[in-house]
Amino acid sequence: GENVEQHPSTLSVQEGDSAVIKCTYSDSASNYFPWYKQELGKGPQLIIDIRSNVGEKKDQRIAVTLNKTAKHFSLHITETQPEDSAVYFCAEGGAGGGADGLTFGKGTHLIIQP
Amino acid sequence: GAVVSQHPSWVICKSGTSVKIECRSLDFQATTMFWYRQFPKQSLMLMATSNEGSKATYEQGVEKDKFLINHASLTLSTLTVTSAHPEDSSFYICSANRGRVSYNEQFFGPGTRLTVL
Repeated sequence: GENVEQHPSTLSVQEGDSAVIKCTYSDSASNYFPWYKQELGKGPQLIIDIRSNVGEKKDQRIAVTLNKTAKHFSLHITETQPEDSAVYFCAEGGAGGGADGLTFGKGTHLIIQP
Repeated sequence: GAVVSQHPSWVICKSGTSVKIECRSLDFQATTMFWYRQFPKQSLMLMATSNEGSKATYEQGVEKDKFLINHASLTLSTLTVTSAHPEDSSFYICSANRGRVSYNEQFFGPGTRLTVL
């Protein structure tokens, strides 16, 4: 079945610095790669996503890159702020489109040091 | 747009009782809804896929007779945990798919914290 590896499990960066979280997947049929931010006691919030026909996507301070050949994708957050502190999950969706649930990575606890 | 609600946000029940959790897409119609479970400090695990008007599809290891799913309309899916036990205590989160069948975009509800005493 699908497998998503996420690293690191914990990431501490100084406010204003950049943070990078990486994920790898195993299913070559996967074509949808979202990133979610989850704050304590809340549901995951979609922050950015990318599809297999695109190599990079950017939304203000957040960017995602995808390397389909190597089967890995990364989340980049620039100019980090205290409110960026949360747990971030990568996920992948299969070739079944909207009928497929997502397979999640184990999460990265991002800590922004003031 | 793309708001998903869940009710209740938290529930405490006695062992052996049943609990129903509702998931609603408030401003869009969802052809498919999903139910996930998240234990403390762990990732989300897909439990089942819910399609309006048809039976739910359960992931391996998830008991369909214990976790009853009803997808009555394009905006409502319910999860009933039957004969709940302490090991069922968890954070249950639903998501709804918006858009074309070929589009995986999912929006998540705020979750329901279930505690079974």
